[in-house]
This record gives sequence, structure tokens and C-alpha cells, in this order.
Amino acid sequence: EADIYQTPRYLVIGTGKKITLECSQTMGHDKMYWYQQDPGMELHLIHYSYGVNSTEKGDLSSESTVSRIRTEHFPLTLESARPSHTSQYLCASSEARGARNSPLHFGNGTRLTVT
Amino acid sequence: SQKIEQNSEALNIQEGKTATLTCNYTNYSPAYLQWYRQDPGRGPVFLLLIRENEKEKRKERLKVTFDTTLKQSLFHITASQPADSATYLCALDSARGGGYNKLIFGAGTRLAVHP
Repeated sequence: EADIYQTPRYLVIGTGKKITLECSQTMGHDKMYWYQQDPGMELHLIHYSYGVNSTEKGDLSSESTVSRIRTEHFPLTLESARPSHTSQYLCASSEARGARNSPLHFGNGTRLTVT
Repeated sequence: SQKIEQNSEALNIQEGKTATLTCNYTNYSPAYLQWYRQDPGRGPVFLLLIRENEKEKRKERLKVTFDTTLKQSLFHITASQPADSATYLCALDSARGGGYNKLIFGAGTRLAVHP
């Protein structure tokens, strides 16, 4: 099992609230990612980071933002949650050395429900 | 447009048989392909990676093939066990020549192995 942790596992929150989903990894990986997944559907990349102070938007447009101040930490923030943000959010990391094709190590996700 | 297709219907097989899952893609020229296992409520777990110049890769009871002409990968589990029941995702490198793991995931195929 990979050492990547996401909190909370489940979150139910009202519309308009600000939320931050936490993701931390202890593997020293430079690359980190956020994916969004709805039940039975593909994972969609919403943010990624090459390393500290590097963040980029992924293929799926998202109203969320991310930061990478420390190598091990890659939090995702929604300033004003809406029901359309209801989904599972998966954080992942991978090694930078050598390998564009390094496997991704995933956390167990945060299931977000916005009421 | 770029597309990855995996059987959306669940694959039901008897314990001890070989399970074969298919991943087809269009409008990609991936340098490599990865297979992941995902259990309900958990993040995907990396299983195998195969490069474009490799026809076949094996790991214990798992075997992956990669046919760049047919644009297809097959994932085999031999001597299947009920514990192999899960959703299996294929993922392609869509950023050939790019600087990071731009993995695009299929929606996955659910495998159910019955005793």
C-alpha cells in the first residue's frame, strides 16, 4: 500500500461553504495529482504539480484551486461549494526521476456531497 | 477525439478460469499503458505497465499484452480467485513527449469471480 493519505474520507457540506481537501504523501514524490471520479465513470485529471510552487490545471475544468508549498502536501480548495461539486476526489503522486511513466500511487479518496 | 473503451458490462467468471479484460483506444499513440485495480471506496492500485515496444508483460498470475496496430491491450488473470473481484482500469499516456504523467483512464471493467 502506498503512503498517501487523504482527509476527510467523507464530507457532507452545505452550498456556499468553503472546503479544503487534504492530501499528504510520505514517499518524497515530486509529482502530485488530483483526479475527480463519479461512480462507474473515468477518472478525470483536474490539477497536477511537478513540485514545490508548481501547479497546473488538468484536462477537466474545475472551480477548485490547489497549492504546493511543501513537497508532501497538496491540498485542494473549493471557495464556494455547489451541488455540482458532489463527487469523489482522488489524490495521487508519482516519482519524477527517470520516469514519465512512473506508476501513480493513489490515496483512498474523499467523497464529497454538497447539499 | 481521444477515447479509451473498456467493457462497461461486468465480467462474471468461475473461480479457476482465466479472466480477460479488453482496453481499446482511438486517436492516441501512447508510449506506454498501465493497468490498475480499484476496489469499492478505495483509490486505484497500480498493477502492471507495458511499453509500446513490449508485446507482453507478466507478473505472477497477471499478463498484459499491447498491440499498437490494433490499438488494444488485453489484461489476463489466470487461475482467478474470488479475491480478484474488483474493477480494473487501463490508463494511457496521452502526452507523448510531454513532461509529466498525463494518464488518461478508462471507465474500467468490473470483474466478479464466483466460487
